[in-house]
Amino acid sequence: TQLLEQSPQFLSIQEGENLTVYCNSSSVFSSLQWYRQEPGEGPVLLVTVVTGGEVKKLKRLTFQFGDARKDSSLHITAAQPGDTGLYLCGRRGGADGLTFGKGTHLIIQP
Amino acid sequence: NAGVTQTPKFQVLKTGQSMTLQCAQDMNHEYMSWYRQDPGMGLRLIHYSVGAGITDQGEVPNGYNVSRSTTEDFPLRLLSAAPSQTSVYFCASSYSRFQETQYFGPGTRLLVL
Repeated sequence: TQLLEQSPQFLSIQEGENLTVYCNSSSVFSSLQWYRQEPGEGPVLLVTVVTGGEVKKLKRLTFQFGDARKDSSLHITAAQPGDTGLYLCGRRGGADGLTFGKGTHLIIQP
Repeated sequence: NAGVTQTPKFQVLKTGQSMTLQCAQDMNHEYMSWYRQDPGMGLRLIHYSVGAGITDQGEVPNGYNVSRSTTEDFPLRLLSAAPSQTSVYFCASSYSRFQETQYFGPGTRLLVL
């Protein structure tokens, strides 16, 4: 099993602050996805990163894929309460489907 | 499009009871899968299907059965529920096994007493 390690596990910050969460693996992956899951709902895809060094922006969210394609980060600028949720990274696993990290629980306090 | 739908939203079972969790998608997706989500464990793949009539096991298949008689439906059966199967279950689909974007349903919350 090729594990995805996410950090931090929990993060609680004030509205307006910046934050970065991480997704790391000991092995190279061809692509990586970031999902956000809100309470009581299923995960929703935010972005897929494919190329080493790639940076993608989604409004205030910036996703980066490491040059060696073993790690990825998600940076949120000026966090808002609507950013609250569980952030999951996922990659294609050995048994088809996706292998997910355990996620970062993010709380943005007004 | 309704996307991926799951029923029921909530279910309480007694140990040993059986039940079927329903999943349907209206996007004509070939690939469908079931995950369970547990605190501290993340999402783990139970079973998946790459098309009608074809199913295979994922990471945690024990205690669960699936079938795929149509493209649209992918039910998950618990033959004899155990407390260890208390979890939130998510169904997901994608256009094909090679497309990584998964569309998830809203989940079924199952409590086994």
